[in-house]
Parts: sequence; structure tokens; C-alpha cells
Amino acid sequence: DSGVTQTPKHLITATGQRVTLRCSPRSGDLSVYWYQQSLDQGLQFLIQYYNGEERAKGNILERFSAQQFPDLHSELNLSSLELGDSALYFCASSAGDGGWDVESYEQYFGPGTRLTVT
Amino acid sequence: GQNIDQPTEMTATEGAIVQINCTYQTSGFNGLFWYQQHAGEAPTFLSYNVLDGLEEKGRFSSFLSRSKGYSYLLLKELQMKDSASYLCAVPNQAGTALIFGKGTTLSVSS
Repeated sequence: DSGVTQTPKHLITATGQRVTLRCSPRSGDLSVYWYQQSLDQGLQFLIQYYNGEERAKGNILERFSAQQFPDLHSELNLSSLELGDSALYFCASSAGDGGWDVESYEQYFGPGTRLTVT
Repeated sequence: GQNIDQPTEMTATEGAIVQINCTYQTSGFNGLFWYQQHAGEAPTFLSYNVLDGLEEKGRFSSFLSRSKGYSYLLLKELQMKDSASYLCAVPNQAGTALIFGKGTTLSVSS
């Protein structure tokens, strides 16, 4: 158990819909990262938040957005869903000061949310 | 940009030693990281190398050659539970994200 929690575990929804994925980081970690993992693309970095502020953006679509709340939990919002958005979505957290050092790269992943768009 | 290459699949038997290679191309370099991911589960951090050479951690060791853009993960005394995908990762050029390889799926048989 990494200490990172994600809900829900599974989500099935239709094209065009909007969903929200939730993540709580390990106790004491201020950084949260979101990743998408599909069979053909592998693990892709989407976005990072540190202590409530966006710190880095990866391959995140404009239809997707995220935020980190004062209690440090984070939510990833996916809208206008398409079939291709079906994937495993992981949240990870790390210690460190929000910069990119070894402490940031040693990330602890949650169990993931499996999203299926039909 | 970044490019990471790993073999797609490998097989080995219990008790054996296996070496999983990773080659990378990156403009900057802040270290190379290995993660293990069992099917349907979350990736877990295994090791990192910043300097050239071998880092040993129990049955697992990781090697890095920065001049060659090459790393390997060495797994000794293989056990069935080592059957998993092994992901090699490097920071992107800006140092703001981890770029993962597509992973090497290792199957350990008895």
C-alpha cells in the first residue's frame, strides 16, 4: 500500500459525458501528479500540482483539467469523453519542495481508476 | 526530445538472472529511474541512478552509462512474483516530468 488513495476504482460512462477522478496523496506529500496509461501509449504524464498550484503540464488535453484543494487532495476532470479516453488513470505523490529533484522523481502511485468510455 | 527504448517482452525461469536493457536519448539528464508494475496494479519505485555505475539493492541492481545513454536492471534469483512490467524513466528536458518507456513485460516460469 503506497498510502495514495484514488476513487473510484472503476468508472464506465458514455461518450460526451464528464467525469471526476479523485486522489488523496500520502500524508505529508505536497506534490500530486496525474498520469494516463493506455495499452498503446504507455504511462503518460498529464499534470503536476504542488501545494495547490499547477507546477508542470504534460500531454494533457484541453478537455481535461485538474485542481488541488487546500486539504491537498486532487481531482482530475475529464469532459466531452471520447472512446480513446478509455485508460487507467493514476495519481502519484512525492515528497520534495515542488522542484524536480530525486525526491520528486521517486513517486508513489495510487491504485488507479480504470475508465471505460462506451 | 526524449526517446526511451526497452524490449517489449522477456522470459526467464525461477532462480535465474535476467538483465533488462534500456536505452534513452535526452537533451538534459537528471537521472534514470526504474519502476515495477504488476498487471493491473500501480507502478512502484525500484531504483534510480544519477552517476555512472552499478547500484545494488538486494536482488535488484541497476546500472547506468551516461555516455552511452544506456541502463540495465539486473534481477537475480528470480521468483514467480517478479513477473511484472519494468518501466525505465528519465526526466524530460525541462526537468518537469518523468518520461516513461513502454515497459518490458517479464514472465518468470517454474
